[in-house]
Amino acid sequence: GQQVMQIPQYQHVQEGEDFTTYCNSSTTLSNIQWYKQRPGGHPVFLIQLVKSGEVKKQKRLTFQFGEAKKNSSLHITATQTTDVGTYFCAGNSGGYQKVTFGTGTKLQVIP
Amino acid sequence: KAGVTQTPRYLIKTRGQQVTLSCSPISGHRSVSWYQQTPGQGLQFLFEYFSETQRNKGNFPGRFSGRQFSNSRSEMNVSTLELGDSALYLCASSYGGSGGNEQFFGPGTRLTVL
Repeated sequence: GQQVMQIPQYQHVQEGEDFTTYCNSSTTLSNIQWYKQRPGGHPVFLIQLVKSGEVKKQKRLTFQFGEAKKNSSLHITATQTTDVGTYFCAGNSGGYQKVTFGTGTKLQVIP
Repeated sequence: KAGVTQTPRYLIKTRGQQVTLSCSPISGHRSVSWYQQTPGQGLQFLFEYFSETQRNKGNFPGRFSGRQFSNSRSEMNVSTLELGDSALYLCASSYGGSGGNEQFFGPGTRLTVL
């Protein structure tokens, strides 16, 4: 079945440093979503990418979808303590197939 | 619009018992998915219901079952509880016309099995 892996599993950064998490799927994806889960909270939708090579920005966050639509990345510029949480990618192979969540990257920001 | 609600929020059971969790999706959403979240395993997909039919299923034993009602509310049942079933159970709703729609998660039910 479809597998979605994320690296790194954990990341500690100093406040102000950049952060990147990478997502890799074993199969070609129809689209990919990114979610953020704050400590003690539930996953919250951030964005969806659909097109090959697509790049989207949300303030300090930049999301990319690979040309082959099998990988994606989330880059945060100049991290802040409010960025703390676990970031999940979630891939869908199209049609009515289920969404498969990645393993998640837990980000800790040191003030 | 009200968000996704889950009841109860916390539950303590003993091994061998059974439990039923409830999820009310956002109004208008027809798809409800259930996930199990544990520190070591991340978000594991249990099943998805759309218009009262199970549309997708994860790799969980038959002890885990679910259903969806005509108003899109969904229930998840776990029978013969095991210690390893202790987890946060999250449900998520979406419009569900096709896979890959934005999912809105509820706050979860924290199940502890003693």
